[in-house]
Amino acid sequence: RKEVEQDPGPFNVPEGATVAFNCTYSNSASQSFFWYRQDCRKEPKLLMSVYSSGNEDGRFTAQLNRASQYISLLIRDSKLSDSATYLCVVNTAGSGAGSYQLTFGKGTKLSVIP
Amino acid sequence: DAGVIQSPRHEVTEMGQEVTLRCKPISGHDYLFWYRQTMMRGLELLIYFNNNVPIDDSGMPEDRFSAKMPNASFSTLKIQPSEPRDSAVYFCASSLSRPDHEQYFGPGTRLTVT
Repeated sequence: RKEVEQDPGPFNVPEGATVAFNCTYSNSASQSFFWYRQDCRKEPKLLMSVYSSGNEDGRFTAQLNRASQYISLLIRDSKLSDSATYLCVVNTAGSGAGSYQLTFGKGTKLSVIP
Repeated sequence: DAGVIQSPRHEVTEMGQEVTLRCKPISGHDYLFWYRQTMMRGLELLIYFNNNVPIDDSGMPEDRFSAKMPNASFSTLKIQPSEPRDSAVYFCASSLSRPDHEQYFGPGTRLTVT
């Protein structure tokens, strides 16, 4: 099983729609969770952290389900500017003792259509 | 404030040539990461440094790849000799306090090996 799995999409949605992405992770010991956004031919940028109680930032809501080991991102009232690839990110243990790192999913591509 | 700086932004080289990628992390950040991104494999961690010391290089593909961080403001990733399968976007990132907290990415170097 891959460490972080996402549906690659693409998700093609009209402006104003609500869209949700899910992501599953394999390491039950993971403690930190994030969603990053990557625009075409650009670098990834942090969109939001994901907290155990769930958190919201404007039109974006992130939730964590530790029991089922999945993370979700909900985007309400989609804008054209939301078109991007959304990367699910989880912390995992590295190869050295006490070494930690971020493991990135391959991303889910979203296209918001006028 | 300047973000993570990478050079060159684009590199086209012939198989067998040496390639050197450069990175300047955000001032004050203790961690520096080198990633490689391809369509097939997504974003993969190659190596990361803490206070200029390599901590985890388990992602470095093979002996053709080497990375150094001679001081807190400069790192290089070298490929010698380069091969067509090394073609990818190479990102450098830095973080402030922990390797599994928010990372800030540079714009990347798009490498093409012919």
